[in-house]
Amino acid sequence: NAGVTQTPKFQVLKTGQSMTLQCAQDMNHEYMSWYRQDPGMGLRLIHYSVGAGITDQGEVPNGYNVSRSTTEDFPLRLLSAAPSQTSVYFCASSRLGRTEDGYTFGSGTRLTVV
Amino acid sequence: ELKVEQNPLFLSMQEGKNYTIYCNYSTTSDRLYWYRQDPGKSLESLFVLLSNGAVKQEGRLMASLDTKARLSTLHITAAVHDLSATYFCAAHNNNDMRFGAGTRLTVKP
Repeated sequence: NAGVTQTPKFQVLKTGQSMTLQCAQDMNHEYMSWYRQDPGMGLRLIHYSVGAGITDQGEVPNGYNVSRSTTEDFPLRLLSAAPSQTSVYFCASSRLGRTEDGYTFGSGTRLTVV
Repeated sequence: ELKVEQNPLFLSMQEGKNYTIYCNYSTTSDRLYWYRQDPGKSLESLFVLLSNGAVKQEGRLMASLDTKARLSTLHITAAVHDLSATYFCAAHNNNDMRFGAGTRLTVKP
């Protein structure tokens, strides 16, 4: 049981480049989400999805796109990278509803935009 | 808008001592989470608190929730070095989970 798998683990981009961060889960979780973690600010929600074909914006969605074509996958796209997007990105999944299960987080992607 | 404040942000403890981390949130939340993060690692779920008065314990850590005061606490009993990490609380409402800034705990011998 792999849980939540994120790729790549590290990435360096030049300003203006685009890329996709991959996230896959094998727990049949309905809910998937993307967070960014910056020093001293905790984690901030970028986008989330409650099921295939359904996505919504979180706290800091600008500059990012998502789609959810399957239950398992939830890729995050940076359309035109900016230095302000340098961060550690975490994907997380969970069952829907008031469950006592916590969110399961991936191992993270450390992105540097130069 | 749901906002979460944690304090203290930094905590240096002696082994064997007790301490409490506080987590306040600004609006209605349907559940409260506590997570642990080791340096360079992902987040590990510690506790999920669903209702007023909920108390959960695991080893030297105990979490509680007071929904009327919009306050959760994480109490550390007889700290040991292995508890050194950053601890986050997160309040959840309507598919939106907001995190506190984290408490960096260092336990010294």
